[in-house]
Amino acid sequence: EVQLLESGGSLVQPGGSLRLSCEGSGFIFSNYAMSWVRQVPGKGLEWVSIISDSTGSTYYADSVKGRFTISRDNSRNTHTLQMSRLRAEDTALYYCATTSNYAFLMWGRGTMVTVSS
Amino acid sequence: QTVVTQEPSLSVSPGGTVTLTCGLNSGSVSTTYYPSWYQQTPGQAPRTLVYSTNIRSSGVPDRFSGSILGNKAALTITGAQADDESDYYCVLYMGNGIRVFGGGTKLSVL
Repeated sequence: EVQLLESGGSLVQPGGSLRLSCEGSGFIFSNYAMSWVRQVPGKGLEWVSIISDSTGSTYYADSVKGRFTISRDNSRNTHTLQMSRLRAEDTALYYCATTSNYAFLMWGRGTMVTVSS
Repeated sequence: QTVVTQEPSLSVSPGGTVTLTCGLNSGSVSTTYYPSWYQQTPGQAPRTLVYSTNIRSSGVPDRFSGSILGNKAALTITGAQADDESDYYCVLYMGNGIRVFGGGTKLSVL
């Protein structure tokens, strides 16, 4: 069974940092690019970042560029999103998703990040 | 700034057909944007329906179909069912690794 399990979400103060992780199982992790997508409760979805399957190329939405860093460890079937200089508007449920054929194919259940003092 | 447009809300009768669209604030959507579609019900993670314009994801019934209609991507639901009542999102690939979600369409089946 394909599974993606996000972790690391919590309450953090503005300006703080947080590291999210996503562990995949039930599929060949290294064959897929991996993305983060976030959703403010009650609002729409927003693509955040992607890391390619093999070359490690990374891309970011303008809203997080320079503050967030995506990385992966194929030996551990894990990819991470290091978030720094967090703002209130980064408060959201963060989903990880496998990415192929320019689409998000498999999704985790999400981990909640709350940025508040 | 690129804005991907979707109808904020639509309704369809049970058994009816409805088409949701996905456009750009400037320009036309074509297959080179690799449009994809996602369904989300409250409290659940999104579910992938269609990608690369018209390829159904595994397990998605064939009453969901994707296409390009005029200058927009489209998702057509034929024979709508009560459990199709959900939020639907499209995504366009803008190049250089960048993806953009539309604002979503809230579909009511009534």
